[in-house]
Amino acid sequence: AQSVTQLGSHVSVSEGALVLLRCNYSSSVPPYLFWYVQYPNQGLQLLLKYTSAATLVKGINGFEAEFKKSETSFHLTKPSAHMSDAAEYFCAVSQNTGFQKLVFGTGTRLLVSP
Amino acid sequence: EADIYQTPRYLVIGTGKKITLECSQTMGHDKMYWYQQDPGMELHLIHYSYGVNSTEKGDLSSESTVSRIRTEHFPLTLESARPSHTSQYLCASSEQGTNYGYTFGSGTRLTVV
Repeated sequence: AQSVTQLGSHVSVSEGALVLLRCNYSSSVPPYLFWYVQYPNQGLQLLLKYTSAATLVKGINGFEAEFKKSETSFHLTKPSAHMSDAAEYFCAVSQNTGFQKLVFGTGTRLLVSP
Repeated sequence: EADIYQTPRYLVIGTGKKITLECSQTMGHDKMYWYQQDPGMELHLIHYSYGVNSTEKGDLSSESTVSRIRTEHFPLTLESARPSHTSQYLCASSEQGTNYGYTFGSGTRLTVV
């Protein structure tokens, strides 16, 4: 069965610094991978997705993620953090059997300080 | 504009009351989902649906029930609310296939007092 692990429940950065949120996946078949963002009191919004085309995926708000099969990773990055990036971020993998549900990680809260 | 709507956004209700959380989508998606999200922010799938007249229980046991009489509508019902049901409930939908993400509603924050 597919699963994802997000390292670090909280990540703190200064405004203008590099953002790196880690996600490792487990899958016996080529996975589809997703990053979602959740702002306070909101639902989840799709940031980007990997569906076996390009390994470097660009998303909204300047975020990107790179699929690395050898490392089973799909880390999310942004070159320069903005105060508005403060939110909860979820990595997810698509389950390729049965109902084909998305399996979510436990989330990482990004804190951005001035 | 195609979207997914949840009502109410916030609900405070007394113990023992029956409540229905509404979820509707205008995208024609066959698959719909209900997630429960506690203050720790982890998402737990409690119900999902393949399409009309299809409902399944998710990974987390829940006392709630769902129905899917129309493609666009997937309401969640609690027959007798308890304080342990206090949580945020998120509805989502998706197209068929594994390479599509989910579209989420804004959520309903339920408080049972």
